[in-house]
Amino acid sequence: GESVGLHLPTLSVQEGDNSIINCAYSNSASDYFIWYKQESGKGPQFIIDIRSNMDKRQGQRVTVLLNKTVKHLSLQIAATQPGDSAVYFCAERTSGTYKYIFGTGTRLKVLA
Amino acid sequence: NAGVTQTPKFQVLKTGQSMTLQCAQDMNHEYMSWYRQDPGMGLRLIHYSVGAGITDQGEVPNGYNVSRSTTEDFPLRLLSAAPSQTSVYFCASSYRRTSGGSDEQFFGPGTRLTVL
Repeated sequence: GESVGLHLPTLSVQEGDNSIINCAYSNSASDYFIWYKQESGKGPQFIIDIRSNMDKRQGQRVTVLLNKTVKHLSLQIAATQPGDSAVYFCAERTSGTYKYIFGTGTRLKVLA
Repeated sequence: NAGVTQTPKFQVLKTGQSMTLQCAQDMNHEYMSWYRQDPGMGLRLIHYSVGAGITDQGEVPNGYNVSRSTTEDFPLRLLSAAPSQTSVYFCASSYRRTSGGSDEQFFGPGTRLTVL
């Protein structure tokens, strides 16, 4: 079936540097994409979302880029902080449904 | 607002036992869903509901039942627990928008279930 996957299972970055977490999706019918952050022992927390009619969306210190041509999604975190250490998931939703498919996650480690 | 609450936080069952995981939200969200998360994996959708009286299957529905009699509550029932159902279970809720806006899902803290 259709799935969402991630290229890197673990990403280590120096505090203050920018982080880029990537995600590939395979369902061309997906029209809504979300990034979540999950800290140890907690439920996922919404970071930012983007619809398929956009290619970029910015939030506070975060930017999501969507490339529909190659079915690629990325999350950029500016000036990465120790509190950003967590597992990050991308998720997609097929147009016309409420079924979300999550990727397997990337662990972000921020080095002091 | 309490947000999304789940009970219990931890549960140990024996194979063949049944139980209900509780989920409640106080944000008047139409959409509610149940996921399971296995070690080192992402979340997989079990069942979801777009409103009271309406439920549908997700990616991994076998062995689970749901009902949605009120907007606030969305319990998940394990009919006959199996070791393969050992997992962390998350409930989530959101508004149901047809276009525009954010469909941000709010997640509960999770229930850690072990089936022996």
